[in-house]
Amino acid sequence: DQQVKQNSPSLSVQEGRISILNCDYTNSMFDYFLWYKKYPAEGPTFLISISSIKDKNEDGRFTVFLNKSAKHLSLHIVPSQPGDSAVYFCAATREKLTFGTGTRLTIIP
Amino acid sequence: DAEITQSPRHKITETGRQVTLACHQTWNHNNMFWYRQDLGHGLRLIHYSYGVQDTNKGEVSDGYSVSRSNTEDLPLTLESAASSQTSVYFCASSAGRETTGELFFGEGSRLTVL
Repeated sequence: DQQVKQNSPSLSVQEGRISILNCDYTNSMFDYFLWYKKYPAEGPTFLISISSIKDKNEDGRFTVFLNKSAKHLSLHIVPSQPGDSAVYFCAATREKLTFGTGTRLTIIP
Repeated sequence: DAEITQSPRHKITETGRQVTLACHQTWNHNNMFWYRQDLGHGLRLIHYSYGVQDTNKGEVSDGYSVSRSNTEDLPLTLESAASSQTSVYFCASSAGRETTGELFFGEGSRLTVL
């Protein structure tokens, strides 16, 4: 039972445009949500997070949006850069961290 | 700089062999975790520890064990390796509980069981 889902395994975006990565969850008890970024042959690194009491959090080019009624999380990257090409995992936590399956983002120069 | 290191980075073994993957962190974090990454499944928690002598099972713990004798190390042991355990394994650590979820990951250990 996949409680955190990333339905798009891959996404390609032109450099300079907006990248939108989506994540859906089923457990309404999750109270904190995160995005991790992973390059090949490296471990995931923390990118940005949001508490369930908020609906938006920004950090530079990265913005995370939370829609609790829809149980939906999204990550916006503006503008997209070649170095953003990576696999992105969303994750949610109540007491344990649950990861999604990942979306491979490719930025086309 | 503080870091978290895993060894070996690559391992090929045979079915039925015992395998141990090492994880060492110099962050002085109390909390350490082992995950496996598989296509279509993302990262799944195997075992975790909130301190010395504390170990707990995650969602995919069958066939794996861990021990925590000091703060820095959490070795993961496959008692009798199976082909289903072919995967990439990540160790992680954190200062606080998972409620804020910010984990620091090692670079991964790729295990192939033939």
